Amino acid sequence: DVKVTQSSRYLVKRTGEKVFLECVQDMDHENMFWYRQDPGLGLRLIYFSYDVKMKEKGDIPEGYSVSREKKERFSLILESASTNQTSMYLCASWTSLLDEQFFGPGTRLTVL
Amino acid sequence: AQKITQTQPGMFVQEKEAVTLDCTYDTSDPSYGLFWYKQPSSGEMIFLIYQGSYDQQNATEGRYSLNFQKARKSANLVISASQLGDSAMYFCAMREGPRDMRFGAGTRLTVKP
Repeated sequence: DVKVTQSSRYLVKRTGEKVFLECVQDMDHENMFWYRQDPGLGLRLIYFSYDVKMKEKGDIPEGYSVSREKKERFSLILESASTNQTSMYLCASWTSLLDEQFFGPGTRLTVL
Repeated sequence: AQKITQTQPGMFVQEKEAVTLDCTYDTSDPSYGLFWYKQPSSGEMIFLIYQGSYDQQNATEGRYSLNFQKARKSANLVISASQLGDSAMYFCAMREGPRDMRFGAGTRLTVKP
């Protein structure tokens, strides 16, 4: 059974903290993605990675960075968390051999 | 510019009836894929159905079918015989390039008993 896991379902952080969101997939997919989901806006792409150490900005990269040191792991980093980064964060992975993009369960981040 | 438009923020349907969720898209790329995902209140994204731009027939998966009208750039999801468990958010998405996937704002479907 294919799987994308995220390190936390719920996270509460303070403004200014550095925040790490971890995502791991066990499907050997080359592509991994980070989205944020906000009511009325759907899912918006933050960053994606098409190979180890490779990354590309999505639509809303400001305030975020990413790291992909191993194929199975893709990390989203909030260098200095702000209240407007309170959101649901979804990780996904995909291989060009399939149509479907596989999602993790999401991390609901609250920044106080 | 908005690439995927879902104009229905919320929809209600009676149990056992059919419902259509609207989705229009914008692209100049001849090769693209269209997707529908379901997101229950638990938050996970569940893949429902896929339609390729070159597919001649409308995609179907069980009670789900995708009404693909290429000239109108629409990809509506039809759910037949609605069930209470179909209550969820539904997202339409389009992939243009190999890694370029965009989602609509979603439609919240409520199935009434």
